[in-house]
Amino acid sequence: DIVMTQSPDSLAVSLGERATISCKSSQSLLYNSNKKNYLAWYQQKPGQPPKLLIYWASTRQSGVPDRFSGGGSGTDFTLTINSLQAEDVAVYYCQQYYDTPRTFGQGTKVEFK
Amino acid sequence: EVQLVESGGGWVQPGGSLRLSCASSGFTFSKHVLTWVRQAPGRGLEWVSTINGGATSTYYADSVKGRFTISRDNSKNTLYLQMNNLGADDTATYFCVKEPNSDYIYSWFDSWGQGTLVTISS
Repeated sequence: DIVMTQSPDSLAVSLGERATISCKSSQSLLYNSNKKNYLAWYQQKPGQPPKLLIYWASTRQSGVPDRFSGGGSGTDFTLTINSLQAEDVAVYYCQQYYDTPRTFGQGTKVEFK
Repeated sequence: EVQLVESGGGWVQPGGSLRLSCASSGFTFSKHVLTWVRQAPGRGLEWVSTINGGATSTYYADSVKGRFTISRDNSKNTLYLQMNNLGADDTATYFCVKEPNSDYIYSWFDSWGQGTLVTISS
């Protein structure tokens, strides 16, 4: 199975500041034939189901604010939240869909400093 | 608007069975892969099972293989998960999840239901 490891486990950021979450995979998620990285990011607020933010490592889902951006390739990826807003407090998960079983990172909790 | 509404969760003793359902609307049901993902209390997300649009292919996590059966009724726009021989490790909220493709399973999860809680305890 592909192991997804996120860091840090939790992150305290001031309102309006930037939050950056790292996600590393145990093998490359870059599919050579289409040059796409098979990685998604989700946001889960307390008591709610996860919500898709980003797929193909950097494509924002429709309706997701542009302060959320994804980057990276191969085995190293980042989710950046520019100018953190109150409603961004949540747990964020990365997920690989390069291989089955599809696996998630352990989650990163983003809180206010 | 996509809607996925799970039901069927509850408390059951170890070794027991439950059948989860997921009633869906707002999209062409038969044209999408559907999946169950679970989350143990206070824990992360775990993929459980997937079925393609035509119900011809099914996939299971090793942790549930041989105990759980995923199925769908495209005439009723409903997804199911039959869970047998349940153990404490199966205690979790089970989410019904829609995917963007009809057959291709190497994809992200684009819409999630609110989930239904399954508790296994004596």
